[in-house]
Amino acid sequence: EAQVTQNPRYLITVTGKKLTVTCSQNMNHEYMSWYRQDPGLGLRQIYYSMNVEVTDKGDVPEGYKVSRKEKRNFPLILESPSPNQTSLYFCASSLTSGGIGTDTQYFGPGTRLTVL
Amino acid sequence: QKEVEQDPGPLSVPEGAIVSLNCTYSNSAFQYFMWYRQYSRKGPELLMYTYSSGNKEDGRFTAQVDKSSKYISLFIRDSQPSDSATYLCAMRRGLNTGFQKLVFGTGTRLLVSP
Repeated sequence: EAQVTQNPRYLITVTGKKLTVTCSQNMNHEYMSWYRQDPGLGLRQIYYSMNVEVTDKGDVPEGYKVSRKEKRNFPLILESPSPNQTSLYFCASSLTSGGIGTDTQYFGPGTRLTVL
Repeated sequence: QKEVEQDPGPLSVPEGAIVSLNCTYSNSAFQYFMWYRQYSRKGPELLMYTYSSGNKEDGRFTAQVDKSSKYISLFIRDSQPSDSATYLCAMRRGLNTGFQKLVFGTGTRLLVSP
């Protein structure tokens, strides 16, 4: 089954404690992306990757890091989380960035992060 | 001003009603228009996409694009309680313009009551 998995699904942490949210896809997609979703602001892109070792900033990259060492994995790293990073996070993947038709962008189930 | 505007709702309708969900946008370069459906505690999933202006129908769902007005719509006929979800519009520039990310609306929450 084609899928994007994220772990953990729920996380409560404290300010400053480094954390990593993992993302993995089994579709051999080249393009992967991280979004955060906040009420009234919708989905905002944090970082994206067009292939292994190729990453770039999205609209809201401050406070986040990513790496793409393998095609299937795209972890999101918060080195010093702050309360304003409390949000719902989604990882997504697609063959290219098209997200159109057969090049559908698949989303993971989401990670709800609370930073106290 | 946001590139894509969408009323957050909620929009509450009785079962069987025709639902109209809409987005407006400001960037005339957008050529691909998508609708995603997001159930509670799930990630968004692609429902339909259209290219440029016109209509596209898929079962009870019809997507409509009016590029002259920079306005897109999703119509749901004979709405069902299982259609209760948040609907996000998304759009992007043409495929021949290099890498282009999707730009999402904020989503409209739809509630269909039995």
